[in-house]
Amino acid sequence: EAGVTQFPSHSVIEKGQTVTLRCDPISGHDNLYWYRRVMGKEIKFLLHFVKESKQDESGMPNNRFLAERTGGTYSTLKVQPAELEDSGVYFCASSQWTRQETQYFGPGTRLLVL
Amino acid sequence: DAKTTQPTSMDCAEGRAANLPCNHSTISGNEYVYWYRQIHSQGPQYIIHGLKNNETNEMASLIITEDRKSSTLILPHATLRDTAVYYCIVAGGYGGSQGNLIFGKGTKLSVKP
Repeated sequence: EAGVTQFPSHSVIEKGQTVTLRCDPISGHDNLYWYRRVMGKEIKFLLHFVKESKQDESGMPNNRFLAERTGGTYSTLKVQPAELEDSGVYFCASSQWTRQETQYFGPGTRLLVL
Repeated sequence: DAKTTQPTSMDCAEGRAANLPCNHSTISGNEYVYWYRQIHSQGPQYIIHGLKNNETNEMASLIITEDRKSSTLILPHATLRDTAVYYCIVAGGYGGSQGNLIFGKGTKLSVKP
């Protein structure tokens, strides 16, 4: 069974540009989460999808971040326009509906905004 | 903020048991204790979880005290590949996080040859 995959693995962009991160969860997992770790800080929750609906987006830092989950399958996280403080590692995780906190994480996307 | 307290770092000799403590004195009656780890440059990895009984799986054992205010993760025979940051997380239950994992600073475990 394939695990959670994320694309790209690395992205280097300039301040003001747009970047879109993609996450493919484990097949059959209704729950999909985005987290991020910025330099020197702890891993922080961003948002939670149940199928295609946003269940909790309390961790989204501001309106420059837009997450979607088309058809309840893969998800994208767009940052527009990117700022220097957005640099960090963005993790995606998925879980079954009945075991929300048992999450399987992808390898992360390392974003560097110059 | 994280509801758990863990030592910042620990060392363990290869082949010996690694015992990682965690305090969660404010845990509520229906919250679970979860353990994850993050090996350098990888995504966090689920290890084990429990409510009040001790649990064991192929990776580790989890011992939860009777008052549920603390727990210990045990890696029975640590290898160099177990070097990682280990996170103890309280989550779940009615009215709980609904899946939002709150990561603290964790314990950096270094397994030495």
